[in-house]
Amino acid sequence: QQPVQSPQAVILREGEDAVINCSSSKALYSVHWYRQKHGEAPVFLMILLKGGEQKGHDKISASFNEKKQQSSLYLTASQLSYSGTYFCGTEATSGTYKYIFGTGTRLKVLA
Amino acid sequence: DTGVSQNPRHKITKRGQNVTFRCDPISEHNRLYWYRQTLGQGPEFLTYFQNEAQLEKSRLLSDRFSAERPKGSFSTLEIQRTEQGDSAMYLCASSLVSANTGELFFGEGSRLTVL
Repeated sequence: QQPVQSPQAVILREGEDAVINCSSSKALYSVHWYRQKHGEAPVFLMILLKGGEQKGHDKISASFNEKKQQSSLYLTASQLSYSGTYFCGTEATSGTYKYIFGTGTRLKVLA
Repeated sequence: DTGVSQNPRHKITKRGQNVTFRCDPISEHNRLYWYRQTLGQGPEFLTYFQNEAQLEKSRLLSDRFSAERPKGSFSTLEIQRTEQGDSAMYLCASSLVSANTGELFFGEGSRLTVL
């Protein structure tokens, strides 16, 4: 079942923050986050495996709630290069490595 | 270039024709995935392989779609008797199961236009 992302789209000014959510009706085993720029392939950002986990690098971080049904991606002090569409990729069952992608969130950062 | 390679990058065909796409994964990767993406939507799962074995095929796919991965290397995705609704970007991705992240490495896609 496809996870639902919110918001569908967001426009920011450089330096502003954004939060993108990915929600599933069932508990997940893992969640990946990807960014896709227009006309390019999706690029991996990070993976979360454990309930309650938070991780990140540079100014992009993510969390996975305790029930493992929701993940959030946090973009801090956004840069022009953050523009693109963000997808969560969810693995429902351990060991399948089958990933179902969310509905996507379009992010545009303005100067 | 050692990334995932897809060919052709663009294909325009008439309704009813057959088309085949090829994907060359990163050489040591044992998992290979096919996704379909339409404008503004997330990648839709089609099928995936571990080595040469096809593990699952989406129930959304009709029998017109078939995929193979002979010898566990490159893969082909064939669409028979194409319909206008098949127009989309077809993405291939590969991964190494033993890697900590299970990260998918995507190719740049094959764009299909059915007239």
